[in-house]
Amino acid sequence: NAGVMQNPRHLVRRRGQEARLRCSPMKGHSHVYWYRQLPEEGLKFMVYLQKENIIDESGMPKERFSAEFPKEGPSILRIQQVVRGDSAAYFCASSPAFPGAQPQHFGDGTRLSIL
Amino acid sequence: AQSVTQLGSHVSVSEGALVLLRCNYSSSVPPYLFWYVQYPNQGLQLLLKYTTGATLVKGINGFEAEFKKSETSFHLTKPSAHMSDAAEYFCAVSETDTGNQFYFGTGTSLTVIP
Repeated sequence: NAGVMQNPRHLVRRRGQEARLRCSPMKGHSHVYWYRQLPEEGLKFMVYLQKENIIDESGMPKERFSAEFPKEGPSILRIQQVVRGDSAAYFCASSPAFPGAQPQHFGDGTRLSIL
Repeated sequence: AQSVTQLGSHVSVSEGALVLLRCNYSSSVPPYLFWYVQYPNQGLQLLLKYTTGATLVKGINGFEAEFKKSETSFHLTKPSAHMSDAAEYFCAVSETDTGNQFYFGTGTSLTVIP
């Protein structure tokens, strides 16, 4: 029973390039959450998605960042025109259709480095 | 709005000593409460959770936590620290009425001294 799968584990981009981070939720989970973790800091919520819908994107920067969770395929976090400050670990979590009492299950993250 | 405060960003204990990691929350509705552990270069793993019922909950690896509504606390404890417990620990809360978003504390880094 596979857990949350994130790829790539490590991603290196030059300033101005695009970064695409992928997340496949656990089987049977229809809710996906993206978090960013900066060195020596906690997890910062970015966006919460269900299939084909963005439920809450209050933690997402207004520019250059976007997220989707299509009907088929993984959830994608896209960062356009990356800058040095985007260097961080990005974690995806998933939960079943009725969250709250259900814990979020986390992937191992994608570590993004900007040169 | 909910918030989570973890007192002490770094905690050091001797091997075999009691581990106590503090977590306080603010919530206008009954909360669901969670503790996660993160080892280096890995994601978060669930240690334990409180939803309803017994306020003392037991988790994996000998950890337990007690929900104290009057103190709005959910402190994590382990009677005897092991070297393998060295990691980052995060407390999280979600709302019972919507339950769609988790609010995480800033984490506590636990060091175990041999």
